[in-house]
Amino acid sequence: GEDVEQSLFLSVREGDSSVINCTYTDSSSTYLYWYKQEPGAGLQLLTYIFSNMDMKQDQRLTVLLNKKDKHLSLRIADTQTGDSAIYFCAESPGGYNKLIFGAGTRLAVHP
Amino acid sequence: DGGITQSPKYLFRKEGQNVTLSCEQNLNHDAMYWYRQDPGQGLRLIYYSQIVNDFQKGDIAEGYSVSREKKESFPLTVTSAQKNPTAFYLCASSIGQRKNNEQFFGPGTRLTVL
Repeated sequence: GEDVEQSLFLSVREGDSSVINCTYTDSSSTYLYWYKQEPGAGLQLLTYIFSNMDMKQDQRLTVLLNKKDKHLSLRIADTQTGDSAIYFCAESPGGYNKLIFGAGTRLAVHP
Repeated sequence: DGGITQSPKYLFRKEGQNVTLSCEQNLNHDAMYWYRQDPGQGLRLIYYSQIVNDFQKGDIAEGYSVSREKKESFPLTVTSAQKNPTAFYLCASSIGQRKNNEQFFGPGTRLTVL
């Protein structure tokens, strides 16, 4: 079946790196996504990775994909207080019409 | 500015009443989606539409209805049959009909049943 799992909470010190992990089940997913949600707001697409890639870097964000283990991670370098939010991992299983979301990881950044 | 708008931001409803949530996009996207978000849970798909005048049920369609009469509009009606409607509702759109299903989200409507 389709399922995306994430740990629910992560706390980091300002300036450190944050690593948010995600596992997914559908090997037919060709794209995997990371979204950010700030309190009371909609979701903002941060980045996505195509399934034939191992890594994608975009400024402070690095996405790593281990397709064999169906494991996706998002690394945020030099984490700032403005990075405090909920981060959702999502997969697009096979077809054109659905995203399956994890429950979200709440990132708390403290001084 | 291109984007997705949802209105109202906050909505209160008495039990037994139907209520309609608005979603409009000017991105010229073919596909539109409605999700429900509950605390501590991911987004769950209610309905989606890949093209005008067509829509399909998602995972939790019971108690909801939609219409897609115009490309830019995809209103969601929460009916009295929905047993637990208090939630945060998110509308999204995508270009559609391609494998990169990058979805763009509106700001959401928080519905509270009194």
